Amino acid sequence: QITLKESGPTLVKPTQTLTLTCTFSGLSLSTSGVGGGWIRQPPGKALEWLALIYWNDDKRYSPSLKSRLTITKDTSKNQVVLTMTNMDPVDTATYYCTHEKWGEGWFDPWGQGTQVTVSS
Amino acid sequence: QSALTQPASVSGSPGQSITISCTGTSSDVGGYNYVSWYQQYPGKAPKLMIYDVNKRPSGVSDRFSGSKSGNTASLTISGLQAEDEADYYCCSHTSSITWVFGGGTKVTVL
Repeated sequence: QITLKESGPTLVKPTQTLTLTCTFSGLSLSTSGVGGGWIRQPPGKALEWLALIYWNDDKRYSPSLKSRLTITKDTSKNQVVLTMTNMDPVDTATYYCTHEKWGEGWFDPWGQGTQVTVSS
Repeated sequence: QSALTQPASVSGSPGQSITISCTGTSSDVGGYNYVSWYQQYPGKAPKLMIYDVNKRPSGVSDRFSGSKSGNTASLTISGLQAEDEADYYCCSHTSSITWVFGGGTKVTVL
């Protein structure tokens, strides 16, 4: 069974950089085809895809947020890390970690999500 | 890339069938069979319900079905039940090798 667990700060100040970590269990990030990524959801709003990284270090970013996002992985810890620079109150959201297998095009499973509030 | 277009809300009585549409472009929904649907209860993480336009993961009720015509994908829930009341999101792969979600549809069981 694959489980994903997000971790990171619950509160960040405007202009700060957010760093979120997703720990994979039951699946190795170094296994061929495995991808880990992030999707967010502002309160009361829709899901928004952010970024994805594959086992071979191929990375994909949302075009609208690409300049602010960096996704990396630490295979020794089986973790995917997302950094988002220059945080703004509009970035307040629940951030979900998810898995996508190369070439399959869907997200499953999802982590429980981590709530991030941007406020001074 | 713009979000896919979904109706804000759809409602139906128990036992009825409802259909949620998801409209994109030839660069996403119309160009690929990588359309998926997710169910989300309040305060919970989304759950995969349909992938590859019309395939159901193991454990998902066969009351849920998907289809696509041109740039519009659809999710149909047959034999509507109270437990189906939730938000539903479509998602598509895009020509930019990224993903885009719909705005979400709130399903209400009357």
